[in-house]
Amino acid sequence: RKEVEQDPGPFNVPEGATVAFNCTYSNSASQSFFWYRQDCRKEPKLLMSVYSSGNEDGRFTAQLNRASQYISLLIRDSKLSDSATYLCVVRAGTGGGNKLTFGTGTQLKVEL
Amino acid sequence: DGGITQSPKYLFRKEGQNVTLSCEQNLNHDAMYWYRQDPGQGLRLIYYSQIVNDFQKGDIAEGYSVSREKKESFPLTVTSAQKNPTAFYLCAGSSSGAPGETQYFGPGTRLLVL
Repeated sequence: RKEVEQDPGPFNVPEGATVAFNCTYSNSASQSFFWYRQDCRKEPKLLMSVYSSGNEDGRFTAQLNRASQYISLLIRDSKLSDSATYLCVVRAGTGGGNKLTFGTGTQLKVEL
Repeated sequence: DGGITQSPKYLFRKEGQNVTLSCEQNLNHDAMYWYRQDPGQGLRLIYYSQIVNDFQKGDIAEGYSVSREKKESFPLTVTSAQKNPTAFYLCAGSSSGAPGETQYFGPGTRLLVL
């Protein structure tokens, strides 16, 4: 089983739609969680950290469910510019420096 | 401009050749990282360094080497021992390397084998 698993998609949605991605992680000792966004042939950029109580940043909402070991990302009122690959990132445990484990990403395509 | 810079953007390697990828940062980050990204796979950690003159192997260090002689610089050498070097190489930095800290990425170098 992969340490971090995501549905690769693509998710094709019309502009203005609400879309949600889930990501599961296998290590119950995981401590930190992030969503990164990666545009085609570009570097990943931090979208948001994910906190235990859930957090929101504009149209984006992230949730963490420790019991079921998954995190989610909800995008409301999708824009064409949201088209990208969304990477689920997990930091397991507290030892060994700041090693992050990346999912393979979920591709989102927002269409007119 | 501040940030993490990588050069070159594209690099071509001949069989049996060593090549070095540059990574420079002016963010005063203590920690720096090298990742490799292949199609259909998540980023995989090659090496990381939490302080000058010290570095640790990541998950796929075989065939690679690094140095950290200066805080600002963390070059990666892809040696001839790396049999499948074609990939997108990403350098990242974080402030202190503390667990859970956000990592910020450079624009990447695409390495192609001729």
